[in-house]
Amino acid sequence: EAGVTQSPTHLIKTRGQQATLRCSPISGHTSVYWYQQALGLGLQFLLWYDEGEERNRGNFPPRFSGRQFPNYSSELNVNALELEDSALYLCASSLDYGFYEQYFGPGTRLTVT
Amino acid sequence: GIQVEQSPPDLILQEGANSTLRCNFSDSVNNLQWFHQNPWGQLINLFYIPSGTKQNGRLSATTVATERYSLLYISSSQTTDSGVYFCAVGVGSSNTGKLIFGQGTTLQVKP
Repeated sequence: EAGVTQSPTHLIKTRGQQATLRCSPISGHTSVYWYQQALGLGLQFLLWYDEGEERNRGNFPPRFSGRQFPNYSSELNVNALELEDSALYLCASSLDYGFYEQYFGPGTRLTVT
Repeated sequence: GIQVEQSPPDLILQEGANSTLRCNFSDSVNNLQWFHQNPWGQLINLFYIPSGTKQNGRLSATTVATERYSLLYISSSQTTDSGVYFCAVGVGSSNTGKLIFGQGTTLQVKP
């Protein structure tokens, strides 16, 4: 069974540009989560999508947004990139809306110059 | 908000030694997971253990929810066990989808 996949592996952008990160959940999983791991800040919850709806978001500005597609894959968009957005972005998936184990993908490393 | 504290922050062992990593949390939890972050950044699931005890090979974990702590035991450590270990919890009676991570324990196993 394939795990959570993310693309691209690395992404280099310039301050002010937009970045789009993609995630495909484990087959059969409907919930997708996004986390940010920035140096010195630890792992922080960004967004949760289930059945195409945003269910919860963390303490991040509105320029962090995303969506979930009918096939349950998801994308995270970061607009007006700032230097401090440089981080590892991790996507996770779980079975559905309930209290289930989250499984993580390999991450996308975003560098903003 | 809930506090998740892991100890020790750093741990150096000789190959073959045993270790215990601790995770304390300040509120009742509906989810508790232990992860190992590999050198490339991926979080590898070790245990989903909101309560009770589980074992998987050389690793085992115990969560005592009423006392708000969880322990991860690594026996006969190997160099491949090196890396950062995270505890993460979900809180509240309704599911928020959010895992709150501790700051991690960095383990180095020397040959």
